[in-house]
Formats: sequence, C-alpha cells, structure tokens
Amino acid sequence: NAGVTQTPKFRVLKTGQSMTLLCAQDMNHEYMYWYRQDPGMGLRLIHYSVGEGTTAKGEVPDGYNVSRLKKQNFLLGLESAAPSQTSVYFCASSAGQGTGELFFGEGSRLTVL
Amino acid sequence: DAKTTQPPSMDCAEGRAANLPCNHSTISGNEYVYWYRQIHSQGPQYIIHGLKNNETNEMASLIITEDRKSSTLILPHATLRDTAVYYCILRYPNAGGTSYGKLTFGQGTILTVHP
Repeated sequence: NAGVTQTPKFRVLKTGQSMTLLCAQDMNHEYMYWYRQDPGMGLRLIHYSVGEGTTAKGEVPDGYNVSRLKKQNFLLGLESAAPSQTSVYFCASSAGQGTGELFFGEGSRLTVL
Repeated sequence: DAKTTQPPSMDCAEGRAANLPCNHSTISGNEYVYWYRQIHSQGPQYIIHGLKNNETNEMASLIITEDRKSSTLILPHATLRDTAVYYCILRYPNAGGTSYGKLTFGQGTILTVHP
C-alpha cells in the first residue's frame, strides 16, 4: 500500500518552461489537494478536487492548472514556470467530506532558474 | 480558524515521554484540535485529533483541558525518529468551500529527541 505517491521528486526548470507534477493515491480517496511549502509561509493550498472530474481553486492558484481525469490521479501543471514558483510541492488526499485527516506525499522539490 | 500558540522548541530524552503543549484560548465550540508533524524533508503526517474528550491512538495521546483553551500532545516513549516539527491546528468539521483541505500550519514546535 503506497499511499500517496508524487513524481518527480526533484526537477529544475528554466523560466518559461512547462511541466506537470503527478500525484497518485491508492486509498480510493475522494478528495485530493496540491500545496506548496515555502520557508516561513507554511503550507498553502493551490488547488483541490472533491471528486473525479472536479477541481477548484485554493489560496494561491495563479500560474497553476490541475486535472482529475481519474479518481486516483491529480495532476498539477505549470504552463510557464517562473522563479516565484520555486518551492516544495505536496500532494495530499482525504476520505470523507471535510475531514482534517489528510495523507501527504513525500513532496516534489521544484527549482525554476 | 482560531489561532494556536506553541513553544518554538523542546527537547526530550529518548525513551521518555514528550509532552507538547498548545494554547488555543479563542477556540470555537465546534472546532477540533488536530496534530500533525513534519519530519525533515518529508510530507506532513497526521497524528491525532479531538474535540473535547481525551483521545489515544497508536502514535500518541491528546489531552484537552475542560475549558478547551489548551491541549497537550503526549508521545509516551519518544524515539530518535520522533524528532520533527509538531503542529497544533484548529479546524471546523466538514469545512467546505475554500476551507476544503485548508490546514493552517503555524510555526509549530521543533521537538528534538536526544539519545
């Protein structure tokens, strides 16, 4: 049982390049989330999904897009990367409605030069 | 979500109990107290949560005062692997809309377990 798996774990991009982070969960959870964590800023919610085929904006959605075509996968896309998007990105999932028990992945460290 | 206050750091000897306090004097009647931890370079890990009664699971115990203005997370037999940042978070149940997934992590307490 892998839980929440993120790929890739590390990536270096040049400004303007695009990329996609993949999050996969094997717990049959309905809810999935993408966060970014920056020093002194805590965790900030980028986008979330409450079920297959649905997505919604979180606190800091600008510059990111997401898709949830399959229940187990939640993709985070950067269309045109900027240095301000240098961060550690965490994916998480949860089961019931509004539960605060989230299961996090190991993180993806992204550097934009 | 109401604010929490935690000491910035604590030390604990391996094998001893670690008692991590959290103040939440402005907690609302239906806000739950959640505890997460984050080991260096890893994703946050859920530990335990409670409303008003004390709770225990395989990882820890949560003691909430009767007035709910403070709580203590207890790791009964700390190990070196428990060295991490511990976060006390308040959250409404069934939080919807933009509160989905919103966990306001403060600065937390850096717990260092010594041999």
